[in-house]
Amino acid sequence: EIVLTQSPGTLSLSPGERATLSCRASQSVVSSNLAWYQQKPGQAPRLLMYGASSRTTGIPDRFSGSGSGTDFTLTISRLEPEDFAVYYCQQYGSSPLTFGGGTKVEIK
Amino acid sequence: QVQLVQSGAEVKKPGSSVKVSCRASGGTLSSSAISWVRQAPGQGLEWMGGIIPIGITANYAQQFQGRVAITTDAYTTTAYLELSGLRSDDTAVYFCATGPPGDTLSTILGTWGQGTLVTVSS
Repeated sequence: EIVLTQSPGTLSLSPGERATLSCRASQSVVSSNLAWYQQKPGQAPRLLMYGASSRTTGIPDRFSGSGSGTDFTLTISRLEPEDFAVYYCQQYGSSPLTFGGGTKVEIK
Repeated sequence: QVQLVQSGAEVKKPGSSVKVSCRASGGTLSSSAISWVRQAPGQGLEWMGGIIPIGITANYAQQFQGRVAITTDAYTTTAYLELSGLRSDDTAVYFCATGPPGDTLSTILGTWGQGTLVTVSS
């Protein structure tokens, strides 16, 4: 199975700052089938990005994704108060589906 | 758009089984694969397995093989996760989730249930 490693574990930033989250795969992700989810306490995950760089309907354009092969990045250009949450990457190019361990974006 | 509504919280004894349901509100589950994902307290997301209603094919993550069964009802409005041989480390929130129409489990998960807390305690 493909192991996804996210870094950093925690990102402490202020509103308005830029957040850069990394997701590294143990082997190449087929067809860049890499998604990003946001999860807030007590809630289910919410799909943000798929295909490494496509935003889901309704996701603001301050969120962007990039990468291919084994290295992927989620960037939040200017953090809004509602963006402080945990973010997970997920690969769906091969079975079993796997998730990264998550990056917590917290208010500094 | 289909919404997923899960059954309520459960408290179980070690060694017992639990069955969690996931009902489609506003549609059916017949066109998309359904996955089950769990999250232990303070931990990340773990895919347990899923089912493709068309063809009724289930696939399970290796670490749950032999302990888990994922099924759907005859009308594909409700999916079920049954986990047996419960241990304390099975205490978690269990989510059902589905994605775009298709016959593969290798997909994004765009619609999630609200989660069901299963607590395993003696």
